[in-house]
Amino acid sequence: NAGVTQTPKFRILKIGQSMTLQCAQDMNHNYMYWYRQDPGMGLKLIYYSVGAGITDKGEVPNGYNVSRSTTEDFPLRLELAAPSQTSVYFCASAGGRTEAFFGQGTRLTVV
Amino acid sequence: AQSVTQLGSHVSVSEGALVLLRCNYSSSVPPYLFWYVQYPNQGLQLLLKYTSAATLVKGINGFEAEFKKSETSFHLTKPSAHMSDAAEYFCAVSDRGTGGFKTIFGAGTRLFVKA
Repeated sequence: NAGVTQTPKFRILKIGQSMTLQCAQDMNHNYMYWYRQDPGMGLKLIYYSVGAGITDKGEVPNGYNVSRSTTEDFPLRLELAAPSQTSVYFCASAGGRTEAFFGQGTRLTVV
Repeated sequence: AQSVTQLGSHVSVSEGALVLLRCNYSSSVPPYLFWYVQYPNQGLQLLLKYTSAATLVKGINGFEAEFKKSETSFHLTKPSAHMSDAAEYFCAVSDRGTGGFKTIFGAGTRLFVKA
C-alpha cells in the first residue's frame, strides 16, 4: 500500500536550473496538494488540484508550475531555480474535504 | 481569508505533565479542523480531526482537542506527556478555495518533553 510517493528524496540544483518534483498517489483521491516547509514557517500551500485538469494557486505559487493530467499524478515544476526555493517539499492527497495523506518529502537545495 | 494561528512556536513540558498546544482559526465557512504531528525527517500524520460532529474530538496516542466556535479555537491536549510525544505539531483548517477546498496550516509548535 504505497499511499503518496514523492521522488526524488533529495536534490541539489544550481541557480537557474529547472527540475520537476514527482508525486503519485494510489488512493484514487481527487484532491492533491503541494506544500513547502521552511523552519518556523509551517507548511505553505504552493498549488492544489481538485481533480484531473483542474489546478489552482495556493499561498506561495510564484516560481512554480503544476499540471494534473491524471488522477494519480501531480508534478511540480521549478523553471528557474533560486536560492529562495531551498526548502522541503511535501505532496499530499485527500479524498475530499477531509484529512490529507502526505508523502515523505523532497529536500531541495539550490546553490 | 482563512488562517491558522498557533500560539507558541516551542512548548516544553515535563514527562507526565499536561500538554496544551493552542490553535486559533478563521474560516469563511463552517470549518473542518485538523491536528497533525511530524517526527524528524518524516511527513505529517493525522492526530485527529473535527468535521462538525462532536466538539470534543479524540485522536491517537491519547490526544484530544475541543472545538470552541465562540473562541474560534481548537486547542490540543494530552493529560500526561510521554517522551515519545516530542515532535512538531501542526494545526490546519480546510477552507473553501476557488474550485474546491484547500487545507491551510499553522506555523507549527515544537513540543519538548523533559525527563
